[in-house]
Amino acid sequence: DTAVSQTPKYLVTQMGNDKSIKCEQNLGHDTMYWYKQDSKKFLKIMFSYNNKELIINETVPNRFSPKSPDKAHLNLHINSLELGDSAVYFCASSQDAFRTALGKETQYFGPGTRLLVL
Amino acid sequence: EDQVTQSPEALRLQEGESSSLNCSYTVSGLRGLFWYRQDPGKGPEFLFTLYSAGEEKEKERLKATLTKKESFLHITAPKPEDSATYLCAVQAVDQAGTALIFGKGTTLSVSS
Repeated sequence: DTAVSQTPKYLVTQMGNDKSIKCEQNLGHDTMYWYKQDSKKFLKIMFSYNNKELIINETVPNRFSPKSPDKAHLNLHINSLELGDSAVYFCASSQDAFRTALGKETQYFGPGTRLLVL
Repeated sequence: EDQVTQSPEALRLQEGESSSLNCSYTVSGLRGLFWYRQDPGKGPEFLFTLYSAGEEKEKERLKATLTKKESFLHITAPKPEDSATYLCAVQAVDQAGTALIFGKGTTLSVSS
């Protein structure tokens, strides 16, 4: 059973389009994240949700809008895609936001969604 | 500003040739230091968490150690299947919420 899953695995689209990436975790975790990994393999936090509520919103263009319908799902919608949005997007989850902030919980990552904007 | 720097960027070893990867960090206060392994086309896979200077963790051929300024991932007698990118990340006191700060990784290639 996959603990953290993402769909789609690959996404190729034209500039200006709107697209969504979905994430689901079956670990029973309360906290979920979106990270972006650029072409130099550098992973950076974008958003964090705890029990469907936004707790981290890093400096990300407002074309990116996360949505958490329930604590097992965190989707990422991107409007008006730009060339610079091409990257690998990883979803992650951890048990509990408070314990995670103390470094006491591990973040588990999904397989990634490879987005290419042409 | 909190920072994590990993070196070297790339490391090539022969099978059985032991070596170490370095992760140095500058944070106001360390909550935890994490090591992940990332295979091509996959997500990071958790390896270890270290919390305080002097702590060590081991798993098969890997051993992680922590000082007040850096962490080392020692690889003893590596095998080709150890080839991957190794990522270091920190949970810092002054970081918003639960964000991990990652280094850029060390890509390890082990040839037989």
